[in-house]
Amino acid sequence: EAQVTQNPRYLITVTGKKLTVTCSQNMNHEYMSWYRQDPGLGLRQIYYSMNVEVTDKGDVPEGYKVSRKEKRNFPLILESPSPNQTSLYFCASSLLRGSSSYNEQFFGPGTRLTVL
Amino acid sequence: QKEVEQDPGPLSVPEGAIVSLNCTYSNSAFQYFMWYRQYSRKGPELLMYTYSSGNKEDGRFTAQVDKSSKYISLFIRDSQPSDSATYLCAMSATNQGGKLIFGQGTELSVKP
Repeated sequence: EAQVTQNPRYLITVTGKKLTVTCSQNMNHEYMSWYRQDPGLGLRQIYYSMNVEVTDKGDVPEGYKVSRKEKRNFPLILESPSPNQTSLYFCASSLLRGSSSYNEQFFGPGTRLTVL
Repeated sequence: QKEVEQDPGPLSVPEGAIVSLNCTYSNSAFQYFMWYRQYSRKGPELLMYTYSSGNKEDGRFTAQVDKSSKYISLFIRDSQPSDSATYLCAMSATNQGGKLIFGQGTELSVKP
């Protein structure tokens, strides 16, 4: 089954304790992205990657790191989480090549993070 | 001012009603317009997409884009309780699956 998986789905942690949220896709997509979703603010892009070893900042990158060592994986790293990073996080992936049709972004199930 | 504005609702309608969801935007470079549906505790899923201006129909759903007014709409006919979800508009300047700009999302509840 074509899918984007994220782990963990739920996480409660404390300020300053490093954590990693994993993201993996099995569709051989070039493009991968991380979003956070907050009430009243919608989905905002944190980081994205257009291919292996190619990453770039989105709209709200502060406090986050990513890496893309393999095509299928795109982990999100919070080196020193703070309470304002409490949010719902989504990983997404899509093809990245010219086409007459829109290249749909497929989303993972989400990771709900609480930082105390 | 946000690039994409969407009324967050919540919107509650009776079963069978026609639902109209709307977004406005400010960036004239947007060419691809999407509607994603997000059920509770799930990730967003693409419902419909439209390129440039015009209408697109898929069953009970119709998407409209008016680039001159920078306004997009999603209409749901004969709404069902299973349509209860959050609907997010999204826009992109390219078709390459790159950066999407999302609206805030409208929470819809269809009552039996």
